[in-house]
Amino acid sequence: EAQVTQNPRYLITVTGKKLTVTCSQNMNHEYMSWYRQDPGLGLRQIYYSMNVEVTDKGDVPEGYKVSRKEKRNFPLILESPSPNQTSLYFCASSFLGGGSTDTQYFGPGTRLTVL
Amino acid sequence: AQTVTQSQPEMSVQEAETVTLSCTYDTSESDYYLFWYKQPPSRQMILVIRQEAYKQQNATENRFSVNFQKAAKSFSLKISDSQLGDAAMYFCAYRSPYTSGTYKYIFGTGTRLKVLA
Repeated sequence: EAQVTQNPRYLITVTGKKLTVTCSQNMNHEYMSWYRQDPGLGLRQIYYSMNVEVTDKGDVPEGYKVSRKEKRNFPLILESPSPNQTSLYFCASSFLGGGSTDTQYFGPGTRLTVL
Repeated sequence: AQTVTQSQPEMSVQEAETVTLSCTYDTSESDYYLFWYKQPPSRQMILVIRQEAYKQQNATENRFSVNFQKAAKSFSLKISDSQLGDAAMYFCAYRSPYTSGTYKYIFGTGTRLKVLA
């Protein structure tokens, strides 16, 4: 089954404790992306990657790191989480280029709470 | 920088009626892509419809259609014969073309649609 998986689905942590949210896709997609969703703000793109070892900043990259060492995985790293990073996080992937093949597939979301 | 605006935080529609959700955007690019996504209470993000800016014809997907006005930078979603399952948050989104090298997505703040039985 074609899917994007995220782990963990729920996480409660404390300020300053490093954490990683994993994202994996099994569709051989070149493009992967991380978003955060906050009430009243919609989805905002954090980072994206157009291929292995190629990453770029979205609109809200501060406080986050990413890496793309393998095509299927795109982990999101919070080196020193703060309460303002409490949010719902989505990973997504797609093929590149035009046409319907560039449809983004989203993971189920990760609810992160930073105390 | 590109922006996407959804000015209706919440809308209601009677079952079987038609509703239109508004979206405006701002960009200096001539080629781009526009999307409507649906997010039901399960939080799953589902693509409803997409529109390529170079196509003048409005996209349609069954009961969902768009009114794309490129000059006005407007991209509204029309839902016909509304069903209870259409109740969700709807997000409008913009994406730069692949040729731009950035491939960024910009989402609006969303419109919560309630369907009344």
